[in-house]
Amino acid sequence: GAGVSQSPRYKVTKRGQDVALRCDPISGHVSLYWYRQALGQGPEFLTYFNYEAQQDKSGLPNDRFSAERPEGSISTLTIQRTEQRDSAMYRCASSLIIEGDIFYEQYFGPGTRLTVT
Amino acid sequence: AQSVAQPEDQVNVAEGNPLTVKCTYSVSGNPYLFWYVQYPNRGLQFLLKYITGDNLVKGSYGFEAEFNKSQTSFHLKKPSALVSDSALYFCAVRLTGKLIFGQGTTLQVKP
Repeated sequence: GAGVSQSPRYKVTKRGQDVALRCDPISGHVSLYWYRQALGQGPEFLTYFNYEAQQDKSGLPNDRFSAERPEGSISTLTIQRTEQRDSAMYRCASSLIIEGDIFYEQYFGPGTRLTVT
Repeated sequence: AQSVAQPEDQVNVAEGNPLTVKCTYSVSGNPYLFWYVQYPNRGLQFLLKYITGDNLVKGSYGFEAEFNKSQTSFHLKKPSALVSDSALYFCAVRLTGKLIFGQGTTLQVKP
């Protein structure tokens, strides 16, 4: 079946512009996560949703970053007034919701490579 | 603080030899541990997880991992390495929904 999809796959933008990154999770997956990955490093948590509710946004670096998932499916990560330090791979993941002691693994999308010039 | 450490930046092994990629963790409470693999220009792929139960967990592509509570380790292993196993491997621990990843270990399998 179809996996997690992200668009665009590559985005080059000028400093100061706003960008919106999209994530389409696996059908039926209730939980959706955003991570940022610098080259050669492990993914770093940004935020996550269960259904449309944002559960944890503690990883968002500052108030220029925001995320939404209005209908509990597709999510958008928005970065306002981009800066060069925002350049990274942005990855989305989805999973079935936690039930009791059963914790379902997260499935990752291919990522969006953001370059801020 | 909850964390995961992968002490080796790179592991080199000859094809056919056993491989081990090390991971240690620091969490309060019961750890939920994961291994992911990243091939060049591709996303992260789930390999295996430890939630509870047997300390030896079997996963995809012949990989397995051993959970050791006393040593707070979750090393990834494979009895016989393949050249195609060459990739970047990440250990992760779950913390209230999100995953905390280690810095990654590059596995190089030489023919």
